[in-house]
Amino acid sequence: EVQLLESGGGLVQPGGSLRLSCAASGFTFSSYAMSWVRQAPGKGLEWVSAISGSGGSTYYADSVKGRFTISRDNSKNTLYLQMNSLRAEDTAVYYCAKAGVVDSGYSYSYSYFDYWGQGTLVTVSS
Amino acid sequence: QSALTQEASVSGTVGQKVTLSCTGNSNNIGSYAVGWYQQISHGAPKTVMFGNSLPSGIPDRFSGSKSGTTASLTISGLQPEDEADYYCSTWDYSLSAVVFGGGTKLTVL
Repeated sequence: EVQLLESGGGLVQPGGSLRLSCAASGFTFSSYAMSWVRQAPGKGLEWVSAISGSGGSTYYADSVKGRFTISRDNSKNTLYLQMNSLRAEDTAVYYCAKAGVVDSGYSYSYSYFDYWGQGTLVTVSS
Repeated sequence: QSALTQEASVSGTVGQKVTLSCTGNSNNIGSYAVGWYQQISHGAPKTVMFGNSLPSGIPDRFSGSKSGTTASLTISGLQPEDEADYYCSTWDYSLSAVVFGGGTKLTVL
């Protein structure tokens, strides 16, 4: 059974940093791209970042580029999101999501998700 | 402004067939498979369709299709438990990003 378990959320002041983790199980972690998706209070889903199965390719939404860093440790089956220079508008529930197709090195490997975690809440406030 | 366009709200009665649409362009929907996600009361999203494939455990009253740059999710035989927000997403190669629709609130009357 595929399981994704996020952790690391919490309350942080504007300008602060936080690192989120997503522990994965039930599938061959290194074979799949992974993404972070967030949802601000009362808003829709917003993609944040994606990383290839090997970790060699990373992608970011313009809203977080230069502030957030996605990474993965395939030996620990864990996905990370390092968030720096946090702003009030980064307040959201952050979900990790597994790509629905094996990472073949082509962009269609990122086209949809098949499993989601339960999410972790990040609140940026003074 | 979302890269993919969805109806803000759709409603139907129990047993009715409803279709939700997701419109993009040749850089995204026109080139890639689309995922559909159900979110009930702002809980964790659940995948109900990817491309034309039904994930295991999802009732077969859900079906998906695509024509050009528009993808559709059809629910045949609407049930009360289908009331939720539905989002579509796919990859956009010009943006090198995953793009989402703004979501459709489905109400079961």
